[in-house]
Amino acid sequence: DIQMTQSPASLSASLGETVTIECRASEDIYNGLAWYQQKPGKSPQLLIYNANSLHTGVPSRFSGSGSGTQYSLKINSLQSEDVASYFCQQYYDYHTFGAGTKLELK
Amino acid sequence: EVQLVESGGGLVQPGRSMKLSCAASGFTFNNYDMAWVCQAPKKGLEWVATISYDGSSTYYRDSVKGRFTISRDNAKSTLYLQMDSLRSEDTATYYCARHRNYFDYWGQGVMVTVSS
Repeated sequence: DIQMTQSPASLSASLGETVTIECRASEDIYNGLAWYQQKPGKSPQLLIYNANSLHTGVPSRFSGSGSGTQYSLKINSLQSEDVASYFCQQYYDYHTFGAGTKLELK
Repeated sequence: EVQLVESGGGLVQPGRSMKLSCAASGFTFNNYDMAWVCQAPKKGLEWVATISYDGSSTYYRDSVKGRFTISRDNAKSTLYLQMDSLRSEDTATYYCARHRNYFDYWGQGVMVTVSS
């Protein structure tokens, strides 16, 4: 099974700041990676798929990058509505999620 | 607008069964694979099962194989998850999701609590 290691587990940032969340796969997943945002008490929402493609309606301050085993999600100019947990998911071989990153405002 | 609405959760005793439903609207249901994903309290997400657009193929995570059955009724645009021999570790919120390798739309989730 492919393991996904996500970091950091929690993150505190200020409004307007740029935030980066990382995911490392235990083997090459050939860009088969998605990022999700989950606000408290809500269901996950797709942000990014195929490592760097923005899902419909997602603000352009969100972006994804990476290749091989290393991937990242970047949030430019952090807004208050971005307070949430973020999860990565590999779909190259079945489906595995990262443990999540809880993003809070400083 | 894509909408997925789950129903059927609640409290169930270990060893018993429960069936979840997910009513879909806003897209052509029989064009898409569908899936169930769960999230234990305060925990991360786990893929549970997937069914192909026509119901001909199903896939399960190892821990539910032989106990859970995913199915669909394309005439009713409804997805199901039959859960048998439930265990305490199955306690979670269960989400139905449209499956395109990634999960592009999710329902609001339904809580299943397995406890005596």
